[in-house]
Amino acid sequence: GENVEQHPSTLSVQEGDSAVIKCTYSDSASNYFPWYKQELGKGPQLIIDIRSNVGEKKDQRIAVTLNKTAKHFSLHITETQPEDSAVYFCAASGGGGSQGNLIFGKGTKLSVKP
Amino acid sequence: ETGVTQTPRHLVMGMTNKKSLKCEQHLGHNAMYWYKQSAKKPLELMFVYNFKEQTENNSVPSRFSPECPNSSHLFLHLHTLQPEDSALYLCASSQPQDPHSGNTIYFGEGSWLTVV
Repeated sequence: GENVEQHPSTLSVQEGDSAVIKCTYSDSASNYFPWYKQELGKGPQLIIDIRSNVGEKKDQRIAVTLNKTAKHFSLHITETQPEDSAVYFCAASGGGGSQGNLIFGKGTKLSVKP
Repeated sequence: ETGVTQTPRHLVMGMTNKKSLKCEQHLGHNAMYWYKQSAKKPLELMFVYNFKEQTENNSVPSRFSPECPNSSHLFLHLHTLQPEDSALYLCASSQPQDPHSGNTIYFGEGSWLTVV
């Protein structure tokens, strides 16, 4: 089945800097890769996603890149702000073996210091 | 407001108690999920329902019993739990699962469970 590895587990940046979180997946048939943001005391919220027919997708300060050959995808946050502080999860699905279920990474705790 | 509502938000129960968690989605979805979130395993899938039918039970102990009376409602019945079951229980929903095309799932805010 699918296995998703996420790095780093914690990331601390200064306000205004960029943050990058990386994930690798094992099932080459996976074709859907969402990113979720979870703030303290809340459920995970979808912030951006990408499908395997696209190499990059951008939404304001957030972008996701996908390298199907290497089986990795990354979240890029530019001009970070304190409100970006949260735990971020990557996920992968659509590989058939996981029956369409999203397989999540273990999360990255991002701290943006003012 | 996520469109997925969970109650109660916080629950403390003894090991001999019986309680239930409730989830309701207003997104018109036909798949619903229970996830367990703890420090050890951040997002652990427990159960999946598609069109009210259970399609996955991820080796969950029988002290957790799900119920899906219709596509909008999902329950998790709890009995004789252990302290290690203390965690955040997240409900989620999506369009019906397609094994070969991933679907976006939408989470509720979760129910914090403490077993004493």
